[in-house]
Order: sequence, then structure tokens, then C-alpha cells
Amino acid sequence: AQSVTQPDIHITVSEGASLELRCNYSYGATPYLFWYVQSPGQGLQLLLKYFSGDTLVQGIKGFEAEFKRSQSSFNLRKPSVHWSDAAEYFCAVGALSYNTDKLIFGTGTRLQVFP
Amino acid sequence: EPEVTQTPSHQVTQMGQEVILRCVPISNHLYFYWYRQILGQKVEFLVSFYNNEISEKSEIFDDQFSVERPDGSNFTLKIRSTKLEDSAMYFCASMTGATREQYFGPGTRLTVT
Repeated sequence: AQSVTQPDIHITVSEGASLELRCNYSYGATPYLFWYVQSPGQGLQLLLKYFSGDTLVQGIKGFEAEFKRSQSSFNLRKPSVHWSDAAEYFCAVGALSYNTDKLIFGTGTRLQVFP
Repeated sequence: EPEVTQTPSHQVTQMGQEVILRCVPISNHLYFYWYRQILGQKVEFLVSFYNNEISEKSEIFDDQFSVERPDGSNFTLKIRSTKLEDSAMYFCASMTGATREQYFGPGTRLTVT
């Protein structure tokens, strides 16, 4: 069965520090992978996606993620975190068929940023 | 920039009552979804809708739930007889199909008392 694991429930970093949020997936075929961000009281905003090709993908707000098939991972990174990045981050895998494309989400990682 | 909208933002209802959550997807999108997020838990898929019919539904989406696209712009989720455990944030999402990117609305917080 498809699943997504985000091992870190809560991460705290200082503003300006680098960030890596971990995501591991289980999926039978080549996965479509996504990172979404949810700010308090807000909906889910797409940060980036991986479908195929270059395994390092760039997203909005200075985020990037690297797909590693051998490790079944899709970790999110940012070289220098800003206070406004404090939010909940969700990794998701797209379980595709011709007429659905449901997303399976991980449990999320809450990011706290200290000044 | 086009966005998915949802109304109401917060709905309080009593157990056993019917509720209808409303969504207006992005206008040229063809695939529609409902997800829910119980407080402190992960976002869970409920149902997908394509070509005027349900294309997939989860175990959560039992006979108490239904979806409808009544007029070509709105997409609704109805819960016939709410239970306490239906209390959650309900998100609507839509997608074109070409990009396979789902755009989410801001959510409706449903509180069942």
C-alpha cells in the first residue's frame, strides 16, 4: 500500500540556518511527489513537485527537494530559513490513475523558527 | 491568480444534523477532491470526482457522505447525519489534469457538538 512517512514531528531552527525536512515514501511504481506548506489557519499551498527527470527540483519561496529512488526519499531543503517559513510542511505522494490522482499525505512536520 | 474558494469558513452543527460544505473550484479544472484533516492529524483523502461522477472514494466516505456538482461551478460535500467524529477541517481541491497539481481551498472547519 502507498504510504508517506515524515519522521520529524517538530523541528526548531534559528533564522538564517539551513533546513532539511525528511520524507520517505512507499509506492509500487514511479511516484509523483509533492511538498505542501500549511500556515496557521490557512489551506495547503504547493511548494514543489517531482514527476520525472532532474531529481533536484526547485520550488517557490527558495525551497528545493531531491528525489532519491534508492532511498525512497524526497527531502525538502532550504539554505537559509526566514521567520515567515514557520508552518506545517506536508509531503505527499500522488496515487495515480486516469481519473483520480488522489494524494496520500504524511503526518506533517511543524517548523518553528527562532529569531 | 485563480483560487479555490470554500464556504463557510467555520460551521457549527449539532450531532445528527445535515451539513453542506461548498466549494468553487478553479474554473478550467476538471478533477475535484475533498480531503479532511482531524485536528492534529494528517490530511486524508475522502473522494475524487471527474466527469460528473465519483472516480474514487476512501473508506471514510460512507453512505452518510455525498458529493455533487450541481451547476458547473460549485462542488459540494454533504454529510447527512453528522457525528462527533466528523469534526475536522474539510479541504476542497481541484486540478486540470495536465499539470497534475492539486490546488487547495482554505478549508471549512466543521465542529459537531
